[in-house]
Amino acid sequence: EPEVTQTPSHQVTQMGQEVILRCVPISNHLYFYWYRQILGQKVEFLVSFYNNEISEKSEIFDDQFSVERPDGSNFTLKIRSTKLEDSAMYFCASTRDRAPNQPQHFGDGTRLSIL
Amino acid sequence: AQSVAQPEDQVNVAEGNPLTVKCTYSVSGNPYLFWYVQYPNRGLQFLLKYITGDNLVKGSYGFEAEFNKSQTSFHLKKPSALVSDSALYFCAVRDSSASKIIFGSGTRLSIRP
Repeated sequence: EPEVTQTPSHQVTQMGQEVILRCVPISNHLYFYWYRQILGQKVEFLVSFYNNEISEKSEIFDDQFSVERPDGSNFTLKIRSTKLEDSAMYFCASTRDRAPNQPQHFGDGTRLSIL
Repeated sequence: AQSVAQPEDQVNVAEGNPLTVKCTYSVSGNPYLFWYVQYPNRGLQFLLKYITGDNLVKGSYGFEAEFNKSQTSFHLKKPSALVSDSALYFCAVRDSSASKIIFGSGTRLSIRP
């Protein structure tokens, strides 16, 4: 079964540095999402992306965050200047279309640790 | 606004016994409800969904969920638990106007041999 893949599995970064998290969605999927899960807390929506544009974003997704689909396969999340509170698991997800009955397919996540 | 509540942080069940993981929801329109499971160091894996139709929905690994509109609940169930079912379970809701999924806080299911 096709999978969403994320790299790296673990990223350690100094506070203030930029970090890019990478995702390869399922190949025929057109909608892409980022979520995060701070340790011990619930999974929170960050942003959705379609047709090279942000469709929806949460209040967490401030100016420090950006997303990009640089080529036909990758979908990236960039944090411009990391803060300690950015430490979390970041999950990428994708769906074939925007129909609300479509389950989102998740990758295994990137654990981001900010020192 | 959409919201999901999972009132139990942890559920402990003996292997072979039935299990229930509770979930209640709040949406403004028709609910689209999902259950996901998270194993250690893994992402969220889709288990089942309710869109319309039968209130009892069957999913992966022998799990099922019962939709109850009057109680705004969508409890996850399994008739006979396995040790391998031990994981973190998330209930989630989506409405037709939003692309995002709203997750509950998660329930850790522990099945003892």
